[in-house]
Amino acid sequence: ELQLVESGGGLVQPGRSLRLSCAASGFTFDDYAMHWVRQAPGKGLEWVSGINWNSGRIGYADAVQGRFTISRDNAKNSLYLQMNSLRIEDTALYYCAKAYSAHYYDSSGLFHSWGQGSLVTVSS
Amino acid sequence: QSVLTQPPSASGTPGQRVTISCSGSNSNIGSNHVYWYQQFPGAAPKVLIYRNNQRPSGVPERFSGSRSGTSASLAISGLRSEDEADYYCAAWDDSLSGRVVFGGGTKLTVL
Repeated sequence: ELQLVESGGGLVQPGRSLRLSCAASGFTFDDYAMHWVRQAPGKGLEWVSGINWNSGRIGYADAVQGRFTISRDNAKNSLYLQMNSLRIEDTALYYCAKAYSAHYYDSSGLFHSWGQGSLVTVSS
Repeated sequence: QSVLTQPPSASGTPGQRVTISCSGSNSNIGSNHVYWYQQFPGAAPKVLIYRNNQRPSGVPERFSGSRSGTSASLAISGLRSEDEADYYCAAWDDSLSGRVVFGGGTKLTVL
């Protein structure tokens, strides 16, 4: 059974850092691109970042460009999101999502499966 | 403000057919596949339709998707109380360096 389990969320002060992890199982991890998607409390879905199957291509939303870094370790079946210089508006539930294809950046690369999310709260 | 435009709400009675629209532009819906996601309160989103009109195994045939030009729609026939949820459309957008864009979501109420 396909599983995506996020961890690493919590309460953090503005300007600090946090690293999210996503443990994948039940599929061949290095065959697929992966994404991070977030949802602020009571709001809609917002794409954060995507990474190709081999980390060869990476993309970010404008709102997090330069502050967040996505990475993956195919040997460990894991996806990561390093979040620096956190802002209050980064407060959200962060979902890890498996893509339909090996490439996140094309028409066929959107979200096939989602984890349950990891809550990040940025507050002083 | 979302790049893709959805009505904030929709409603219908059991057994009815309801459609939810999603409007975009040439850089997203006009040239890329559309996906639809269903989300219940407190739960993760789940894919309902992928690549415009494909239904994953386990999704009832009552759910169907279509795309025409720069717009797409999700149709739900034989509406059931358990269909009450939030629905989001999404697509790849070729503008700038590329990104995934979402609609703002439609809250479906079954009366």
